[in-house]
Amino acid sequence: DGGITQSPKYLFRKEGQNVTLSCEQNLNHDAMYWYRQDPGQGLRLIYYSQIVNDFQKGDIAEGYSVSREKKESFPLTVTSAQKNPTAFYLCASSGTENTEAFFGQGTRLTVV
Amino acid sequence: AQKVTQAQTEISVVEKEDVTLDCVYETRDTTYYLFWYKQPPSGELVFLIRRNSFDEQNEISGRYSWNFQKSTSSFNFTITASQVVDSAVYFCALTGAQKLVFGQGTRLTINP
Repeated sequence: DGGITQSPKYLFRKEGQNVTLSCEQNLNHDAMYWYRQDPGQGLRLIYYSQIVNDFQKGDIAEGYSVSREKKESFPLTVTSAQKNPTAFYLCASSGTENTEAFFGQGTRLTVV
Repeated sequence: AQKVTQAQTEISVVEKEDVTLDCVYETRDTTYYLFWYKQPPSGELVFLIRRNSFDEQNEISGRYSWNFQKSTSSFNFTITASQVVDSAVYFCALTGAQKLVFGQGTRLTINP
């Protein structure tokens, strides 16, 4: 089945450690996005990519890094520089800007 | 800069009441697209509707309807005869300049 897959669903990290969240899509979409959602808050854009080997910072990119080596994959690394990483992270993809985005099930990251 | 504002943080109504969720947007683009998404407790966002900036026709889909008014930069969402299953967080979103930007979301609770 076509779709977008995020893994893992739950992730625990010790302070000071980097962690990478996976996002894979088999929809042949060019655009991919990463969002952060805090309790009771909206979705804030971290990074987005419109094409392989190219990506742009969103509104809250500090402390995060991404890569887009393959069309299907857009992993997000939460680095130790991110001061408050505990949040729900959502990955999305879309064919073009005028089509709807499809979302993964999200990864809930907790720093312990 | 693009911005989406959903001024209603939380709405609570009794089942069968009609309810309207407000969305106001800002953009300098002449061509843009507006979306509504639903986020149930599971966390995954579900696409509801897309509207482009050149199409101001209102749309009705069952109990759902959308009112797009370019003159007031608004894209409001009405649920008629609400049901408990409509309880969720609803997000309005805007694309333009290759970014997909979301509002803060409105938490809708339908009480039996």
